[in-house]
Amino acid sequence: QSALTQPASVSGSPGQSITISCTGTSSDVGGFNFVSWYQQHPGKVPKLMIYDVINRPSGVSNRFSGSKSGNTASLTISGLQAEDEADYYCSSYTNSSTRYVFGIGTKVTVL
Amino acid sequence: QVQLVESGGGLVKPGGSLRLSCAASGFTFSDYYMSWIRQAPGKGLEWVSYISKTGSRIYYADSVKGRFTISRDNAKSSLYLQMNSLRTEDTAAYYCARDSSTWYFDYWGQGIPVTVSS
Repeated sequence: QSALTQPASVSGSPGQSITISCTGTSSDVGGFNFVSWYQQHPGKVPKLMIYDVINRPSGVSNRFSGSKSGNTASLTISGLQAEDEADYYCSSYTNSSTRYVFGIGTKVTVL
Repeated sequence: QVQLVESGGGLVKPGGSLRLSCAASGFTFSDYYMSWIRQAPGKGLEWVSYISKTGSRIYYADSVKGRFTISRDNAKSSLYLQMNSLRTEDTAAYYCARDSSTWYFDYWGQGIPVTVSS
């Protein structure tokens, strides 16, 4: 099971919007609405930001939103803030024998 | 509040074994699926293993299949990962995570380092 494809880095200025893509196959991202996104600051534990493609857990800012089209899921951060600078990982259920696959991760830089 | 606390990590030689534990509190452990996830130094997240509520369904990443064994004790609210035939590439921080019914991780432990080196 190969890792999901994400851009290595994405950057934006404060207040701007950025989008991180997460590309898989019909066996994972494209086949199920079980995509989640995690934020990880350096040295910290990953934090759930989006689940089931579009849902935000309680306490997560509504500046974070998720979507999916075909085999590609996306995380959009609007009104970019300095505190959003972190690594972001997507994850998906897969119908392979392994059941889970993560993306390679995207480093978000706030200019 | 939900708490997941890993223990049992450390330094081990290649070919050696280690058993990780994860003590859960703040929720009814037997009502949840659980997973282990790892992160090598400076690298991304890698899902390692999953266990269903009763332990009847178990899945492993191809990279650990046949070497690692996940288990749970619902009476003790504890999750385990027995790691055998360890390799240098198993060096990572290992996280215990609570698994939702729709395949995402809503709570994570603080992580425990495992170093495989001679």
